[in-house]
Amino acid sequence: QKEVEQDPGPLSVPEGAIVSLNCTYSNSAFQYFMWYRQYSRKGPELLMYTYSSGNKEDGRFTAQVDKSSKYISLFIRDSQPSDSATYLCAMTGSARQLTFGSGTQLTVLP
Amino acid sequence: GAVVSQHPSWVICKSGTSVKIECRSLDFQATTMFWYRQFPKQSLMLMATSNEGSKATYEQGVEKDKFLINHASLTLSTLTVTSAHPEDSSFYICSAIISGNTQYFGPGTRLTVL
Repeated sequence: QKEVEQDPGPLSVPEGAIVSLNCTYSNSAFQYFMWYRQYSRKGPELLMYTYSSGNKEDGRFTAQVDKSSKYISLFIRDSQPSDSATYLCAMTGSARQLTFGSGTQLTVLP
Repeated sequence: GAVVSQHPSWVICKSGTSVKIECRSLDFQATTMFWYRQFPKQSLMLMATSNEGSKATYEQGVEKDKFLINHASLTLSTLTVTSAHPEDSSFYICSAIISGNTQYFGPGTRLTVL
């Protein structure tokens, strides 16, 4: 079993839809949780960084962490074609090295 | 704006030659940088942790004599792929920690070995 599980998709939604991306993990030592967006042939771009359980909102993006269930989510409201990318969840404990999910490929159709 | 840069963005080389990729932190000092490789439609695979002024720490299965890492200054880490072969063709990405545990990634370098 992988430490971090992420549905690879692909996920296709119409413009304006709410997108829900999810990851589950098994390592209780993970304390810091991140979501990255990666466009084709580009490096990952940090979208959200969370530490505690609960919700964190930034514009159209909301990151949710449930440590008791070992489950994290990223919600994208009013999705746009420019949101089409691969979304990677990542997490770490005290070691600072990131453990990534496999990435979810998202396409937002105009 | 970008906080981590990489050079070159893409490189094509002949089999058997060596290629150096630079990773620079912009406007901040990075005592720790990371090197990843990524194959098409796959996630990032950590190759090594680069520490300024000391030897890099390589992940299991990564040949340290083939992938030479030098972190000679607080703003620059280099990855040299020695005696490159077609199977080394990949997307190489570096990252740096600014504070805490947040890693910022460079734009990546696409290596093609003919």
